[in-house]
Amino acid sequence: AQSVTQLDSQVPVFEEAPVELRCNYSSSVSVYLFWYVQYPNQGLQLLLKYLSGSTLVKGINGFEAEFNKSQTSFHLRKPSVHISDTAEYFCAVRVNTGFQKLVFGTGTRLLVSP
Amino acid sequence: NAGVMQNPRHLVRRRGQEARLRCSPMKGHSHVYWYRQLPEEGLKFMVYLQKENIIDESGMPKERFSAEFPKEGPSILRIQQVVRGDSAAYFCASSPPGQGHSGANVLTFGAGSRLTVL
Repeated sequence: AQSVTQLDSQVPVFEEAPVELRCNYSSSVSVYLFWYVQYPNQGLQLLLKYLSGSTLVKGINGFEAEFNKSQTSFHLRKPSVHISDTAEYFCAVRVNTGFQKLVFGTGTRLLVSP
Repeated sequence: NAGVMQNPRHLVRRRGQEARLRCSPMKGHSHVYWYRQLPEEGLKFMVYLQKENIIDESGMPKERFSAEFPKEGPSILRIQQVVRGDSAAYFCASSPPGQGHSGANVLTFGAGSRLTVL
């Protein structure tokens, strides 16, 4: 069975500083990987996805993530955060032989302060 | 093109009552998924439906929960005799038909329905 681990429940950072949100997954088969963002009282919005090809994936709002198969990681990065990036970030995995059944991590709350 | 529409956005029920949550998928989408987010946790898959068919309900609690996606109208998630532990945010997501197994498709999520059981 697949599982997703987001080690950091909360990451405080100052505005314009870089940030990395960590995500590790476990799966015995090939997977698709996703990062979603959830702003307060809103639904989930897709930030970026890894399906195949280049291991460096660029998403919206200046975020990017790198798929590392040997380390089974898919960490999310942004070189300079804004106050508006304050939100909950979820990493998710989907087995490519299945339908759109995602397994989510427990989320990382990014807190950006001035 | 409206996104995934969920209603009600907030629902308060007393223990023992029934809760009905509705989800209208994006236009052109015929695959619907329900996920539940308990407080301080990630989303957990509940059920996957296509029109008039339940494809996978492996994440649904065995009792009191049911889901449907009729030929006409929205998908309904029904919780009978609610208990405090049912308090959560319930998210619906949809995807296009015919490519459910394709990784190229991603789920579009609604804003969620937040159920509070008193």
